[in-house]
Amino acid sequence: QKEVEQDPGPLSVPEGAIVSLNCTYSNSAFQYFMWYRQYSRKGPELLMYTYSSGNKEDGRFTAQVDKSSKYISLFIRDSQPSDSATYLCAMTSSSGNTPLVFGKGTRLSVIA
Amino acid sequence: KAGVTQTPRYLIKTRGQQVTLSCSPISGHRSVSWYQQTPGQGLQFLFEYFSETQRNKGNFPGRFSGRQFSNSRSEMNVSTLELGDSALYLCASSLGAGPIYGYTFGSGTRLTVV
Repeated sequence: QKEVEQDPGPLSVPEGAIVSLNCTYSNSAFQYFMWYRQYSRKGPELLMYTYSSGNKEDGRFTAQVDKSSKYISLFIRDSQPSDSATYLCAMTSSSGNTPLVFGKGTRLSVIA
Repeated sequence: KAGVTQTPRYLIKTRGQQVTLSCSPISGHRSVSWYQQTPGQGLQFLFEYFSETQRNKGNFPGRFSGRQFSNSRSEMNVSTLELGDSALYLCASSLGAGPIYGYTFGSGTRLTVV
């Protein structure tokens, strides 16, 4: 079993839809959870960052962490064609001595 | 402020050759990490350097090596290239050691081995 599992998609939604992206993980030591967005021919860019369990909202984006279920989510409201990209979840432990572990990414297309 | 700069952007090499990739982190960032990205495996951690010292190393063969200079610039080297080394190599910088503050990635070097 991989440490971080993420459905690769592709996921295709109409403009304005609510998008839900998810990851599961197996390592209970993970405390820091991040979402990166990667456009074609670009490196990943940090989108959301949460520590431990709970919700975090930033504009149209909401990140949720459920440590009891080892499950994290990213919600995108009022999705736009410019949101079309690959979304990668990433996580690490609180020790700071372990590298960031990434999911394989979910490819999202938002159709106008 | 300038982002993370990786050179070259594209590279084509022949099996058996060696290659050196370069990464200049954001000014003031002292940590540089390298990842290999392939469609099949996603992003896999290669190594992390902080203040010229290797802090962590991923599960890659010894053909993969790296170093960091006093100005925080980093290079990674792959010797005796294999077809399976074809990938996007990403460099990421962060202010402190470890990833808990998140990384800023460069656009990567696309390596093709033929």
